[in-house]
Amino acid sequence: SYDLTQPPSVSVSPGQTATITCSGDKLGDKYASWYQQKPGQSPVLVISQDTKRPSGIPERFSGSNSGNTATLTISGTQAMDEADYYCQAWDSGTVVFGGGTKLTVL
Amino acid sequence: EVQLVQSGAEVKKPGESLKISCKGSGYRFTTYWIGWVRQMPGKGLEWMGFIYPGDSDTRYSPSFQGQVTISADKSINTAYLQWSSLKASDTAIYYCARRDCSGGSCYVLTSGWFDPWGQGTQVTVSS
Repeated sequence: SYDLTQPPSVSVSPGQTATITCSGDKLGDKYASWYQQKPGQSPVLVISQDTKRPSGIPERFSGSNSGNTATLTISGTQAMDEADYYCQAWDSGTVVFGGGTKLTVL
Repeated sequence: EVQLVQSGAEVKKPGESLKISCKGSGYRFTTYWIGWVRQMPGKGLEWMGFIYPGDSDTRYSPSFQGQVTISADKSINTAYLQWSSLKASDTAIYYCARRDCSGGSCYVLTSGWFDPWGQGTQVTVSS
């Protein structure tokens, strides 16, 4: 089966840049999406197709994908960005989620 | 507004059956795959399967094949997830989500993203 690996936790100071990685075999040959989940809430799409930001998602969220790693970058991180983040890709018609990364803003 | 509204929380005993629902609105329900995702307490997201309400074509994750049944009633824009015999390990929050895509990728179920998500249904199985 195909695995996506994320760091369990990332910490960032307010106003700084947060980088969350997602690693998988030849992930750059696939599209990656990213979801934000705050405590007690449903996941929300923040990046689709590696780099596309849905309407309503702040410009500080951006994505990239190359080689074996997809990356979610949050520039000028705010306290409201503290959440769990999940990457997602497809492999042979099945959906795969990464294990999730808890972003702490401190 | 595109929206998925799920049925309310359930508390069941082991061995009981259960069917939860996900009602779509604000878009053509029959032309988008609906997926189901499990989130066990304190854990991450797990894809369970999809259904295409237009013709009820259904795909399951190997991990959930035979454990649950996904169905849909297109006349009322509703997808379902059901269990015939619940176990304590089925305790989780279950989300439905619409699979979206763009261009040619929409014709094959090998890419896409999930948006929006339902509010989740908490299922608790305890004796």
